[in-house]
Amino acid sequence: AQKITQTQPGMFVQEKEAVTLDCTYDTSDQSYGLFWYKQPSSGEMIFLIYQGSYDEQNATEGRYSLNFQKARKSANLVISASQLGDSAMYFCAMREAGGTSYGKLTFGQGTILTVHP
Amino acid sequence: EAQVTQNPRYLITVTGKKLTVTCSQNMNHEYMSWYRQDPGLGLRQIYYSMNVEVTDKGDVPEGYKVSRKEKRNFPLILESPSPNQTSLYFCASSLVSGANVLTFGAGSRLTVL
Repeated sequence: AQKITQTQPGMFVQEKEAVTLDCTYDTSDQSYGLFWYKQPSSGEMIFLIYQGSYDEQNATEGRYSLNFQKARKSANLVISASQLGDSAMYFCAMREAGGTSYGKLTFGQGTILTVHP
Repeated sequence: EAQVTQNPRYLITVTGKKLTVTCSQNMNHEYMSWYRQDPGLGLRQIYYSMNVEVTDKGDVPEGYKVSRKEKRNFPLILESPSPNQTSLYFCASSLVSGANVLTFGAGSRLTVL
């Protein structure tokens, strides 16, 4: 069964600094996708970044990058130049492309990021 | 605007009173899913649907029902709500699954007294 683990319940970062949010996953599938979502205090789920299991390059989207280490089964989110608006809950998620879990997006427990001015 | 719309956004009800949370998407997505979010547990899948008339259980389906009679709609039905179903519920949709990003509704906060 697929599983996502986020070991940091809460993280603090100073404004303009970079921060890394950890995510490890477990799957026996060869084809899968890894996602990060942001949930601000208003509650909506905002897609940030995607990495495919066969992608050789780490994904980047503006200030967000995904540090993908396939052998270690980790998919850490790096936020550069943190802003006050980055304060939110962040979820790592995985989607398998086949098997009985086809299409299901499995989430980690989330990490609450607080950006200090 | 491409979106997933859920209603109601907030609801307080009592144990045993049947309720339906509606979900509609205007993106012609085949895949739709319901999640519940509880503190410390992240989001857990309740039910999903690969297409019209095709639905299947997720990780926590007990106490819930769904239907997919039309492509755009995927209502979540609580036949006899109980307090342990107090949660934040999200409906989400995507094109055929895999790499496609799941688009979420705004969420429905349900309290069962």
